[in-house]
Amino acid sequence: SAVISQKPSRDICQRGTSLTIQCQVDSQVTMMFWYRQQPGQSLTLIATANQGSEATYESGFVIDKFPISRPNLTFSTLTVSNMSPEDSSIYLCSGNTGVETQYFGPGTRLLVL
Amino acid sequence: GQNIDQPTEMTATEGAIVQINCTYQTSGFNGLFWYQQHAGEAPTFLSYNVLDGLEEKGRFSSFLSRSKGYSYLLLKELQMKDSASYLCGVMDSNYQLIWGAGTKLIIKP
Repeated sequence: SAVISQKPSRDICQRGTSLTIQCQVDSQVTMMFWYRQQPGQSLTLIATANQGSEATYESGFVIDKFPISRPNLTFSTLTVSNMSPEDSSIYLCSGNTGVETQYFGPGTRLLVL
Repeated sequence: GQNIDQPTEMTATEGAIVQINCTYQTSGFNGLFWYQQHAGEAPTFLSYNVLDGLEEKGRFSSFLSRSKGYSYLLLKELQMKDSASYLCGVMDSNYQLIWGAGTKLIIKP
């Protein structure tokens, strides 16, 4: 199994600023993902974090707004840039050690004022 | 396009049995997941099905029919703590998880 931690667990930010969320896994994972979850809704995939190369973004998400790094197999960061109130959400990091096992971090609750 | 359908909300009684259905249409199939998510918490893994049939894990069972694009999660002997959202996710041919909107399960005494 893998245990995933995220920092910060929550934050309140001002419009126009940026926040970087860190995701740390206690063991090597094959793939890492970043999701967004609006209150009461399901998970929306932002991007797949690729080790040592640019992340693969889903439709509607761009690198300038959500830059992602993954320098090694156990760590990744997601930055929410130039934030607006619409970016208020829960951001979840996820990783898998195999096809059948996907683990989630506890999430980062972001409120943008 | 890819699509996962599950009921928005279900209500059941403590001690009873409930079945949450999930139908899917995806580009390829590499397995179906069920996750439980309590309000304000991260999803936690319940089951993974890649072959047809029923997988039983204690009070929870998950069924898959690939030919019908259908799965269900069966919860027995319901407890109040089972009140949560249940997410159905399908891994497509690119090993990407496509998620349903989730089913909010309300357990009443």
